[in-house]
Amino acid sequence: SAVISQKPSRDICQRGTSLTIQCQVDSQVTMMFWYRQQPGQSLTLIATANQGSEATYESGFVIDKFPISRPNLTFSTLTVSNMSPEDSSIYLCSARRGGADTQYFGPGTRLTVL
Amino acid sequence: QQQVKQSPQSLIVQKGGISIINCAYENTAFDYFPWYQQFPGKGPALLIAIRPDVSEKKEGRFTISFNKSAKQFSLHIMDSQPGDSATYFCAASMGFQKLVFGTGTRLLVSP
Repeated sequence: SAVISQKPSRDICQRGTSLTIQCQVDSQVTMMFWYRQQPGQSLTLIATANQGSEATYESGFVIDKFPISRPNLTFSTLTVSNMSPEDSSIYLCSARRGGADTQYFGPGTRLTVL
Repeated sequence: QQQVKQSPQSLIVQKGGISIINCAYENTAFDYFPWYQQFPGKGPALLIAIRPDVSEKKEGRFTISFNKSAKQFSLHIMDSQPGDSATYFCAASMGFQKLVFGTGTRLLVSP
C-alpha cells in the first residue's frame, strides 16, 4: 500500500490569491494525480503529474490556473491560482505504482475561497 | 463512452440487511473495476476490485458481481452495519490508465 499525506488539510483564502497544496507519498510511485471533489459530488481528474515533465491536464483544466510540479517520485504540488469562490472544493492527491491497478488517495485539502 | 453510470444516488438499509449498488459502463475496453468507500472528511479508500475475467469476487461482507455481456457490475454489502454508512464510488479504467468514477451512492445503514 501507499500512505499519502497532504498539506494543508484545509484553508480559507481570499479571492485573487493563490494556494499551493503539497502531496507526499511514503514510497516511490510512478503516477500521481490531482482530483477535485465538490462536497457531495464525484471526483473530477484535474491532471496527471509527470515526474520530470509537464503535467497532463484534462479537458477544462489549464496549466495557468492549476500549475503542478513533481520534482521526484514521492512528492507533488498543485497550485490553485487567482482563486475565485468557484474554486472552493476538496482537492485530492492520488498515486499509483507502475504496472499496478490500485490507486491510493490522500485525505484531501478542503479549500474555501471568500 | 467514458462514462460510468451509478445508481442509486442514495440508499437507506436496515442494520443486517443487504446493500446493493449498481454501475453500468459503455466502453468495452475497460478492464479494471474498483469500488471505493469514502467517509466524510476523508479521501476515498479502495474497498474491492475486479477484472472482467471473473464474474464475482468476495472479500468478507463485500462482493462484486460482474456481468460482462450486460456491461454492468454491482457491489453487495451483506449484513450491513451502521459503520458501513459512507459514500461509495464505482470506477473503471483500461490498461493502467486513469480511473473514470461513477457519480457516487450515499449509503445510510439505520440501527
